[in-house]
Amino acid sequence: DTGVSQDPRHKITKRGQNVTFRCDPISEHNRLYWYRQTLGQGPEFLTYFQNEAQLEKSRLLSDRFSAERPKGSFSTLEIQRTEQGDSAMYLCASSPYRDRSFYEQYFGPGTRLTVT
Amino acid sequence: KNEVEQSPQNLTAQEGEFITINCSYSVGISALHWLQQHPGGGIVSLFMLSSGKKKHGRLIATINIQEKHSSLHITASHPRDSAVYICAVRSLSGSRLTFGEGTQLTVNP
Repeated sequence: DTGVSQDPRHKITKRGQNVTFRCDPISEHNRLYWYRQTLGQGPEFLTYFQNEAQLEKSRLLSDRFSAERPKGSFSTLEIQRTEQGDSAMYLCASSPYRDRSFYEQYFGPGTRLTVT
Repeated sequence: KNEVEQSPQNLTAQEGEFITINCSYSVGISALHWLQQHPGGGIVSLFMLSSGKKKHGRLIATINIQEKHSSLHITASHPRDSAVYICAVRSLSGSRLTFGEGTQLTVNP
């Protein structure tokens, strides 16, 4: 297995445009997480899925943000009407979850978004 | 006050020195993670612990649940250890991680 992958690695967009990022988790992992990290800060939780169900969303995830994991495998994060404040690294992570036990999260390389 | 506080924010050491990074948290947790982030963004999980102590190579992580405090130690530091080290706590429900701001470690040869 090649680990968690994210696409694209870099995205430059103009303010007001929509962008979509993709995350492919480790294949047997049923939990998938999205985080956002701005320069000099630690990551912040955005949302997570267990299989195809979105179980929790942070208040950071405004109405302009939507995430999906339609078949319980890859996930997409869409930002509509981007703003300069959306510029950040968007990180995806995955982990197994079974028998009410928690496991380490494996992170992807991130998608760096720059909104001009 | 952030739920997860790390100290120091920046740390410069000479090769071979023993290094300690501290993490304090203010909420109930189910586990604490230590992560390493290299330039370019890639994050690697170093430890996940809920009690006691774990060791992997030159890295040691400890946690004191009663005091809500954890430390990451690096013995015989090396320039390749230069990175940002991030402490993150997992909520009691287990659904999310809350991260500290990270400690930038630079080890000079």
